[in-house]
Amino acid sequence: AQTVTQSQPEMSVQEAETVTLSCTYDTSESDYYLFWYKQPPSRQMILVIRQEAYKQQNATENRFSVNFQKAAKSFSLKISDSQLGDAAMYFCAYTHGAQKLVFGQGTRLTINP
Amino acid sequence: DAGVIQSPRHEVTEMGQEVTLRCKPISGHNSLFWYRQTMMRGLELLIYFNNNVPIDDSGMPEDRFSAKMPNASFSTLKIQPSEPRDSAVYFCASRTRAARSYNEQFFGPGTRLTVL
Repeated sequence: AQTVTQSQPEMSVQEAETVTLSCTYDTSESDYYLFWYKQPPSRQMILVIRQEAYKQQNATENRFSVNFQKAAKSFSLKISDSQLGDAAMYFCAYTHGAQKLVFGQGTRLTINP
Repeated sequence: DAGVIQSPRHEVTEMGQEVTLRCKPISGHNSLFWYRQTMMRGLELLIYFNNNVPIDDSGMPEDRFSAKMPNASFSTLKIQPSEPRDSAVYFCASRTRAARSYNEQFFGPGTRLTVL
């Protein structure tokens, strides 16, 4: 079964600094998708960034970028120029084919002003 | 465009009562997912449908839980009878199977259920 692991229950960063959230996963599939979702206190699940496993190029969305290491099964999220609005729970998620999302346990990110 | 719509947003009920959660997926999406979020177990899939047909219900905790999708624009998740351990946030998500959709799922705002 596929599993997703986020080893950092909590992280904090100073406003305007850069922070990296870690995620590892386990799968025997070669074609899959990886996502980072943000969940603010409103509890809405917001997609931050996505990565297709067959693409070697790391995805980037404005201040958010990933470091996708397929062989190591690692998918970290880097947030540059952290803003107070980035404070939230961040979930790493995996899906293969047309199936369910498998989520990690989440990392709570605090931004210090 | 309207996103995934869930109702109610909050539900407080007493143990033993029937609870029905509702979801309207994004128009044109043909896959619908029900997830549950708790502190202990995190986010976990309960059931999902493709083209209104249940595909994987292995996450449904027990017979007290049932889900239906009578048409492409509506789904329900019913708990009968409810128990305090069912207290959680229940999310509905939908997805299109269209090409270049990245298998992305769009989530509703969730229903916070409290069973006293």
